[in-house]
Amino acid sequence: DAKTTQPNSMESNEEEPVHLPCNHSTISGTDYIHWYRQLPSQGPEYVIHGLTSNVNNRMASLAIAEDRKSSTLILHRATLRDAAVYYCILRDVYYGGSQGNLIFGKGTKLSVKP
Amino acid sequence: GAVVSQHPSWVICKSGTSVKIECRSLDFQATTMFWYRQFPKQSLMLMATSNEGSKATYEQGVEKDKFLINHASLTLSTLTVTSAHPEDSSFYICSARGLAGPTEYQETQYFGPGTRLLVL
Repeated sequence: DAKTTQPNSMESNEEEPVHLPCNHSTISGTDYIHWYRQLPSQGPEYVIHGLTSNVNNRMASLAIAEDRKSSTLILHRATLRDAAVYYCILRDVYYGGSQGNLIFGKGTKLSVKP
Repeated sequence: GAVVSQHPSWVICKSGTSVKIECRSLDFQATTMFWYRQFPKQSLMLMATSNEGSKATYEQGVEKDKFLINHASLTLSTLTVTSAHPEDSSFYICSARGLAGPTEYQETQYFGPGTRLLVL
């Protein structure tokens, strides 16, 4: 499985932007980059995903490097509710069989200070 | 957004009993459902994958006779922990993958809220 590397933890101040990095130097051409987050005692929540171009949705933005070996999840204004573990996961676009399974790493624990 | 529900949200049982956990995709049909387990301060570990009407595919090290998975329909999957023991105490999370809206062109995987199991 293609692997990702994320910092164990990050801190942010409330109402400031947060940039969560993810390295995936062995990404293949058919891997999508997915981001999920898990709030305490809850199941993971889908945040965003992309392939090559930067993506925006109501929750966040995803900036993907030109060589696709890294990406950054951007929370434009952190709130206390954004405190969670953020997972960056690669998933093959040809998701038949086990290639399409989401395999979770350790993620980045984001703390937000008021 | 797509909603995946789990029931119950928590359960306490005696050692040796069996526990059934239900997972439903409420507003979309799931082509594939997944079961994960998460121990305290650890990441999610995939236990098994199932498609409607087919036998589940278990990850290495997961006992298929202990963790019975039934995928009865495109919106329902159940996980039964048979003869539960204290070491089975964990947070069990189901997930469903499908097209959750008319504008989606690629399936996305959505997660339930989890079921906390405590075996005494």
